[in-house]
Amino acid sequence: KNEVEQSPQNLTAQEGEFITINCSYSVGISALHWLQQHPGGGIVSLFMLSSGKKKHGRLIATINIQEKHSSLHITASHPRDSAVYICAVLNTGNQFYFGTGTSLTVIP
Amino acid sequence: GAGVSQSPSNKVTEKGKDVELRCDPISGHTALYWYRQSLGQGLEFLIYFQGNSAPDKSGLPSDRFSAERTGGSVSTLTIQRTQQEDSAVYLCASSLSMDRGRGGYTFGSGTRLTVV
Repeated sequence: KNEVEQSPQNLTAQEGEFITINCSYSVGISALHWLQQHPGGGIVSLFMLSSGKKKHGRLIATINIQEKHSSLHITASHPRDSAVYICAVLNTGNQFYFGTGTSLTVIP
Repeated sequence: GAGVSQSPSNKVTEKGKDVELRCDPISGHTALYWYRQSLGQGLEFLIYFQGNSAPDKSGLPSDRFSAERTGGSVSTLTIQRTQQEDSAVYLCASSLSMDRGRGGYTFGSGTRLTVV
């Protein structure tokens, strides 16, 4: 069993839809990260969070430490949001574990 | 520098040769991380540095892999006697600190290594 599980693996949405990507983990963590990888490979760190909720533009990330679960939400999705979204956790031993990613395609 | 700089951007090497990959983090970032992404695979964590120290090297795939960081700045990842399975994009990232809540990471653009 992977330490980090993401769902869905693939997601297609119409422009404007509200999108949710989920991440569950099984290890004790000190932080959780959401990463965005565009075609061509560039990786951008979207959020690092250890509790509660963070918002940046149309992106919202939440984490529930007790349930070991995080969600990434995209409001008013746009074709430029099309990318792979990766959940990564930093455990209490400072070791990283990565989810396999969610491939998002937003259709105009 | 303004961002995390990795060099070379592309490297093609013959099986059995040694390669050295370089990462120049953002100035002042004490934490530095190496990952790799093999074709069609997810991100794989290799090693991190806090300052010049790498407390846990268990993520390195084999003893052919080594990494060092000097002066709390530039890091090099060395792969000895390269094998075809080493072909991947090697990514470096840096952050202000390993501490939680200190902000996110900045990634370099990666080194695409191809072993032929």
